Amino acid sequence: QVQLMESGGGFVKPGESLRLSCAASGFTFIDYYMSWIRQAPGKGLEWVSYISCSSSNIEYGESVKGRFTISRDNAKNSVYLQMNSLRADDTAVYYCARAGRCASDVGPFDIWGQGTMVTVSS
Amino acid sequence: EIVLTQSPATLSSSPGERVTLSCRASQTVGKYLAWYQQKPGQAPRLVIYDTSNRATGIPARFSGSGSGTDFTLTISSLEPEDFAVYYCQQRAHWPPLTFGGGTKVEIK
Repeated sequence: QVQLMESGGGFVKPGESLRLSCAASGFTFIDYYMSWIRQAPGKGLEWVSYISCSSSNIEYGESVKGRFTISRDNAKNSVYLQMNSLRADDTAVYYCARAGRCASDVGPFDIWGQGTMVTVSS
Repeated sequence: EIVLTQSPATLSSSPGERVTLSCRASQTVGKYLAWYQQKPGQAPRLVIYDTSNRATGIPARFSGSGSGTDFTLTISSLEPEDFAVYYCQQRAHWPPLTFGGGTKVEIK
């Protein structure tokens, strides 16, 4: 069935790095925009980043711009989030989500992974 | 950046009741407004997209309406599984893609 599965979360100290992965299955990955969305403990949802099918278009939220890098490997049906210079306020559950077909505009987030927890603390 | 304001923050209701959740945008988002349901410990799930289209598998008791800056999500008759937090989200003007702060639908 259509599925996204994140991995790579963990506990790190401020200033350290972490790389999240999201493996897709059950759909033609190369046809879809992908995004990362996060949720701090007890808080709402915050969009983090987006990548187009060919990786030609990439966008970031202001709070992570310059520190996080999104990428994808269509041969591996995977999207990644490289997180550098992590701060305490990056602590959150990170979700990857499918965001519409690249043949059209970015769509709603119709498929979500289960999330992976990132904790940044000294 | 488009700010989405959801109201009320918490809505206390009973099974079988009709509830209406509100989402107001700081500028027009046309029809490009979606609603998500999130239960504790779970990922969000798409409920409504483009104002009024139910996502796959969403029951007919969920409906969406509105346009421009004012939108509503209505649950015609609350079922026990509907108690959750609901978020609205716009994709009309981005980056950034933005979410509202959420409305918690709790059991009275």
